[in-house]
Amino acid sequence: AQSVTQLDSQVPVFEEAPVELRCNYSSSVSVYLFWYVQYPNQGLQLLLKYLSGSTLVKGINGFEAEFNKSQTSFHLRKPSVHISDTAEYFCAVSEKTSGTYKYIFGTGTRLKVLA
Amino acid sequence: GAVVSQHPSWVICKSGTSVKIECRSLDFQATTMFWYRQFPKQSLMLMATSNEGSKATYEQGVEKDKFLINHASLTLSTLTVTSAHPEDSSFYICSARGSGAGGGHTQYFGPGTRLTVL
Repeated sequence: AQSVTQLDSQVPVFEEAPVELRCNYSSSVSVYLFWYVQYPNQGLQLLLKYLSGSTLVKGINGFEAEFNKSQTSFHLRKPSVHISDTAEYFCAVSEKTSGTYKYIFGTGTRLKVLA
Repeated sequence: GAVVSQHPSWVICKSGTSVKIECRSLDFQATTMFWYRQFPKQSLMLMATSNEGSKATYEQGVEKDKFLINHASLTLSTLTVTSAHPEDSSFYICSARGSGAGGGHTQYFGPGTRLTVL
């Protein structure tokens, strides 16, 4: 079974600085990867996804991620963060289990943007 | 596009009563819907998967008789917490997935329902 590791539970960063949130997954033949953002007391909003094709994926709100098969990573980056980016970020991999695709989530990274 | 709603957004109930939470896909047909539970400052825990017209598949450790799931149409799934107790208090989030190349893997999440059992 797949596993997803988000090593950083919290990442503090100053406003307008760049940020990278790390995500590693266990090896598999086919990999479908996702990043979601969750604001307090809300559901998850899709930031971006990798299903196939170009390994550099651009998402909403200026975020991008790069699929690196050799390092089994899918790190999320933003060149300049805003206060409004403060939220919880979840990495997920879609895996076929019992005949249907389900998500395996990482434990989440809390991004705190400081003024 | 791909909007999922949940109702209610929050609910407070007495111990022993039942609570129903609705999850609707507003602009697409959801062949599969998922129900998650999230504890404070933790990740999402998958409770069950439901396909339209079929019985839900529950994850290990989730009580089927306590968390009743119905997926009667391609746009609606309901989760009923029966005989709720304080330990059932949590944030419940649903997600929906369509079919086809664009929707085959991607789940779209509802805004969540905060359940508090007194």
